[in-house]
Amino acid sequence: QVQLQESGPGLVKPSETLSLTCSVSGGSMYSYYWNWIRQPPGKGLEWIGYVHSSGSTNHNPTLNSRVTMSLDTSKRQFSLNLSSVTAADTAVYFCARGDWFDYWGQGIPVTVSS
Amino acid sequence: SYELTQSLSVSVAQGQTARITCGGNNIGTKNVHWYQQKPGQAPVLVIYRNYHRPSGIPERFSGSNSGNTATLTISEAQAGDEANYYCQVWDSSTVVFGGGAKLTVL
Repeated sequence: QVQLQESGPGLVKPSETLSLTCSVSGGSMYSYYWNWIRQPPGKGLEWIGYVHSSGSTNHNPTLNSRVTMSLDTSKRQFSLNLSSVTAADTAVYFCARGDWFDYWGQGIPVTVSS
Repeated sequence: SYELTQSLSVSVAQGQTARITCGGNNIGTKNVHWYQQKPGQAPVLVIYRNYHRPSGIPERFSGSNSGNTATLTISEAQAGDEANYYCQVWDSSTVVFGGGAKLTVL
């Protein structure tokens, strides 16, 4: 059974970098897209980006160059860094697997506030 | 950029059929995936690649996709189907979500 679990700080100060990790148990780490998705309070889902097992990455163009993602198959983890955060980045952050997202983490709420 | 349009809300009487649509330019040429999200929970995949059901999803859930509209159909709607439903596609190597539709079962 595949399980994903997000971890990281729940509070980040404005202008700092939000860093999250998703730990994967079960299944293969290879030949998949590993995605980050967020959901601001009371709003819909927003795709942040993916890191593929090949090492390639891509992200939502609306986030410009603030997004960095990486994958460590030996640790069975992938990570998200979102720089220069503002209050608009306050959201529940999810990690998810695949082209269609068949497995999701439970989500981690992150608040941007001083 | 590619956009997906969903009705904000859909209502259905218990036991009847609910249809949730997802509009996009030539969406029929893309693979559409659907998610159900209940309050405080992570989304759950209910349909992938237009009409395929993951294991554990009831047969009451079905999907279709043609022209400019994809549709998620929920037959014999139950109170437990009340949720937000999101469609999703890939466009130019990026993921696009619809804005979500809230299904109310009366």
